[in-house]
Amino acid sequence: EIVLTQSPATLSLSPGERASLSCRASQSVSNYLAWYQQKPGQAPRLLIYDASNRATGIPARFSGSGSGTDFTLTISSLEPEDFAVYYCQQRSVWPPVFTFGPGTKVHIK
Amino acid sequence: EVQLVESGGTLVQPGGSLKLSCAASGFTVSNNYMSWVRQAPGKGLEWVSLIYIAGSTYYADSVKGRFTISRDSSKNTLSLQMNSLRAEDSGVYYCARVPQDTTMVYFDYWGQGTLVTVSS
Repeated sequence: EIVLTQSPATLSLSPGERASLSCRASQSVSNYLAWYQQKPGQAPRLLIYDASNRATGIPARFSGSGSGTDFTLTISSLEPEDFAVYYCQQRSVWPPVFTFGPGTKVHIK
Repeated sequence: EVQLVESGGTLVQPGGSLKLSCAASGFTVSNNYMSWVRQAPGKGLEWVSLIYIAGSTYYADSVKGRFTISRDSSKNTLSLQMNSLRAEDSGVYYCARVPQDTTMVYFDYWGQGTLVTVSS
């Protein structure tokens, strides 16, 4: 079973700053990695799929990079609405099991 | 517009059963992989189950043998039958769509969730 590890667990930043969130897989997942944003009381929202593709309607300040075991979600300049929890996720080929990382909480400094 | 609306969550006693439903609009459930994902209070996301277009079903080890995913093409709905419920099954349950004609390894649309509480 592939395990996803996210770091840091918490990130304290100010609006306008750059955020870099890391996701590491216990074995290679190629580029089959997604990122989600979740705000309190809301469902997760897809941000990035296949490691680096922005989902429909996602602002350009969000970008994803990486392949194999190391991935990064970057928010170039934090907006007030970006303070939330971010999860990475992968799916193993067989059996089809989806795994989420434990999340990184980005909060206002 | 794609929409997913879950229902059926409630308070249930340990050992009890519950059936969740997810009504879809804007697309056809039977033409997509569909999943259930849950989130315990204050915790992260946990994948629960998946149903393929062909009807094959898959489950997380934590629910295997107790939960059953299914769909009703006539109503365009997804369901999750949950039996032998435990306290650790408590949380918000989301239905989510895996988009077709893609790598099919992520969820592009999610419902708002329905809360299940297992407690005596």
